[in-house]
Amino acid sequence: EVQLVESGGGLVQPGRSLRLSCAVSGLTFDDYAMHWVRQAPGKGLEWVSGINWNGGGIAYADSVKGRFTISRDNAKNSLYLQMSSLTVEDTALYFCAKDVGSIARNLHCWGQGTLVTVSS
Amino acid sequence: QSALTQPASVSGSPGQSITISCTGTSGDVGGYNYVSWYQQHPGKAPKLLIYDVSNRPSGVSNRFSGSKSGNTASLTISGLQTEDEAHYYCGSYTSTTTVVFGGGTKLTVL
Repeated sequence: EVQLVESGGGLVQPGRSLRLSCAVSGLTFDDYAMHWVRQAPGKGLEWVSGINWNGGGIAYADSVKGRFTISRDNAKNSLYLQMSSLTVEDTALYFCAKDVGSIARNLHCWGQGTLVTVSS
Repeated sequence: QSALTQPASVSGSPGQSITISCTGTSGDVGGYNYVSWYQQHPGKAPKLLIYDVSNRPSGVSNRFSGSKSGNTASLTISGLQTEDEAHYYCGSYTSTTTVVFGGGTKLTVL
């Protein structure tokens, strides 16, 4: 069974940094691209970032470009999102998702999310 | 990176069919066959229903089908069931190698 488990969320002050992790099991991790998606309370889905199977092909939403960094460690079956210069607008439930294939295009399996709250 | 356009809400009765549209541009929906559809029940993670315009992942009911014409993609749900009541989101790969979602459509099963 494929499992994705996010961690690292919490309450953080504006301007600070936070690092999210996503532990993946039940599949050959380095066969697949990965994504981060967020959902603000009561709002729709917003794609944040994607990374291809080998760590290349990285892309970001304009709203986070220059502040967030996606990375993966295929040896540890893990995905990461380093978030800096956080603002209240970054408050959301952050999901990691596995792609259907090796290029970041479709989001197949999703974790349950980790909540990030940015507030003073 | 403008969001794709979906109707805010649709409704139908059990057994009926409904269609949800998703309109983008030639830089996303119209330019690539990488349109996907997701179902999200309250408090749950989204679930992939359709990928690459019309492909169903293993385990997804064949009551869900997808299509595309020009810059508009569509999700059709046939034989509507009460458990289909949820939010539905479309997504598309874009010319800047990002992914963009629609604003979401709330389906009410009357």
